[in-house]
Amino acid sequence: AQSVSQHNHHVILSEAASLELGCNYSYGGTVNLFWYVQYPGQHLQLLLKYFSGDPLVKGIKGFEAEFIKSKFSFNLRKPSVQWSDTAEYFCAAFTSGTYKYIFGTGTRLKVLA
Amino acid sequence: GAGVSQSPSNKVTEKGKDVELRCDPISGHTALYWYRQSLGQGLEFLIYFQGNSAPDKSGLPSDRFSAERTGGSVSTLTIQRTQQEDSAVYLCASSMRGGLLNEQFFGPGTRLTVL
Repeated sequence: AQSVSQHNHHVILSEAASLELGCNYSYGGTVNLFWYVQYPGQHLQLLLKYFSGDPLVKGIKGFEAEFIKSKFSFNLRKPSVQWSDTAEYFCAAFTSGTYKYIFGTGTRLKVLA
Repeated sequence: GAGVSQSPSNKVTEKGKDVELRCDPISGHTALYWYRQSLGQGLEFLIYFQGNSAPDKSGLPSDRFSAERTGGSVSTLTIQRTQQEDSAVYLCASSMRGGLLNEQFFGPGTRLTVL
């Protein structure tokens, strides 16, 4: 069955630390990948997405993610986090032939000022 | 313009009662999704509407769950004979059209608590 796994459920970092959140998907066909973010008290919003082409995708607020097909991974990175990055981050996959987005369980990031 | 709105924002109900959750998508968006967000479970797809096509109900967890979309706009998710395990945040999202190239816009969710 198609699935998306996020290995880190809770991450605590100090400001200026580097961030990498893991995301792995299980699907053999064409897949398109997304990261969504939910700031405290706000709606889920799109952070970045990968469709095709350059596997390194840049999103808003200095975030980037790299699609590594051989590892079925789409890890989210940011070189230097800020307190305002405190949020819950969801990785999602959109599988061809359906209109379904499959979401991971989310990673709660807390950045200490 | 206005985003996706959902009502009520919070709903507390007793086990066995029926509840209705409402979603108003962004005007002009033909695709509408319902998800359930449970603690530690991520977002679980429930149902997808695209225009006038038959909805994809494959994610509904039981026959107690149903949804309709009237006039291609407002959608109502109904849970009959609620159980405690139905407690979750129910999220609605809409997009211009269904499919990959159309970003989903999420509503604020309805937090359902079944006592």
